[in-house]
Amino acid sequence: DQQVKQNSPSLSVQEGRISILNCDYTNSMFDYFLWYKKYPAEGPTFLISISSIKDKNEDGRFTVFLNKSAKHLSLHIVPSQPGDSAVYFCAASEVWGATNKLIFGTGTLLAVQP
Amino acid sequence: GAVVSQHPSWVICKSGTSVKIECRSLDFQATTMFWYRQFPKQSLMLMATSNEGSKATYEQGVEKDKFLINHASLTLSTLTVTSAHPEDSSFYICSARDAGGGFGQYFGPGTRLTVT
Repeated sequence: DQQVKQNSPSLSVQEGRISILNCDYTNSMFDYFLWYKKYPAEGPTFLISISSIKDKNEDGRFTVFLNKSAKHLSLHIVPSQPGDSAVYFCAASEVWGATNKLIFGTGTLLAVQP
Repeated sequence: GAVVSQHPSWVICKSGTSVKIECRSLDFQATTMFWYRQFPKQSLMLMATSNEGSKATYEQGVEKDKFLINHASLTLSTLTVTSAHPEDSSFYICSARDAGGGFGQYFGPGTRLTVT
């Protein structure tokens, strides 16, 4: 049972354009969401997070939007740069749950073309 | 920023042997560490949650006798893959939560295990 889904396995974007990565979840108890960037053979790097009490969080070129009613979140990267090419994972957690463990999506491979 | 290290970064072992992987939080204390496994082109799958000074909590389907986890201090957790088999070959990643607060996790660089 995949509680966090990223339906697009890959995305290709031109440099300078906007990259939009999507993520859907099924567990309504999730109340904290994170995006991670991962290069091959490396651990994930934290990018940005959002609490369920917000619908938007922005950090530089990265903005995360949360639509609780649709159980959907998205990561916008603008402008996209070739160095952004990596696999992006969204993750969800129950902050006040027993372990606060993260449930990861399946990842989206972003390729930013120069 | 918070740094988590893993050692070794890669290891090749023979079938039937045991391998220990270390996960250290370098500049913060971690009461909770997590161990993940990632197969090629797949998501990170949580294997177990490790709490300092207590037994690890394993996810469903993970053999606790095969994947031994020890969290002896606030900066070190170890994962031992016992009697390794080729199907245990994978990328193992640990993460740590800062005991000082925050809900995020800091990830180590991962360990590539190949069992021949």
